[in-house]
Amino acid sequence: GAGVSQSPRYKVAKRGQDVALRCDPISGHVSLFWYQQALGQGPEFLTYFQNEAQLDKSGLPSDRFFAERPEGSVSTLKIQRTQQEDSAVYLCASSSDRGLGETQYFGPGTRLLVL
Amino acid sequence: AQSVTQPDIHITVSEGASLELRCNYSYGATPYLFWYVQSPGQGLQLLLKYFSGDTLVQGIKGFEAEFKRSQSSFNLRKPSVHWSDAAEYFCAVKRRQAGTALIFGKGTTLSVSS
Repeated sequence: GAGVSQSPRYKVAKRGQDVALRCDPISGHVSLFWYQQALGQGPEFLTYFQNEAQLDKSGLPSDRFFAERPEGSVSTLKIQRTQQEDSAVYLCASSSDRGLGETQYFGPGTRLLVL
Repeated sequence: AQSVTQPDIHITVSEGASLELRCNYSYGATPYLFWYVQSPGQGLQLLLKYFSGDTLVQGIKGFEAEFKRSQSSFNLRKPSVHWSDAAEYFCAVKRRQAGTALIFGKGTTLSVSS
């Protein structure tokens, strides 16, 4: 079946602009995660949804970052008033959480460049 | 705090030679363990995972990894590297609880020379 998809794949924003990044998880996957990957680093956790409930947002770096998953499927990560330090790859992952189904499957990511 | 250490930032291996990428973790209890590979411009692809049972796990593309509890290690190996294996490799751990995040190492970049 289809994997995790993300759009756009690339986004260039001017400092101060708002951006919205979309994630389509694998159909039926309950859990959805957002990660931020800075250049030359491993991904770092941002936030977690179980269905439509945002159960953990401890990794969001500031109140400029906001995520939602209103119907328990597609999720959007929004960054307001972007700053240069927001430049990174934003990865979305989903998992089924059934039995040993704790494997997270990743999308291709959205590469954000803030000028 | 939980952490994952990949001591080698960059490794170069000749095509056909064997490979071992190191991973050590710091965790209160035995976590779930994963290796992912990331090719340029691509997302993370799961190579293999350890949940329980046999400590030597087989993955895709001929990779294997061995969990050693006494050393808190989960090293990735491949007996014969192909040029297409050049990529960045990430070791990750997570708590044995649904809905918890992965904690990644900083990655090891593998170059393959002919």
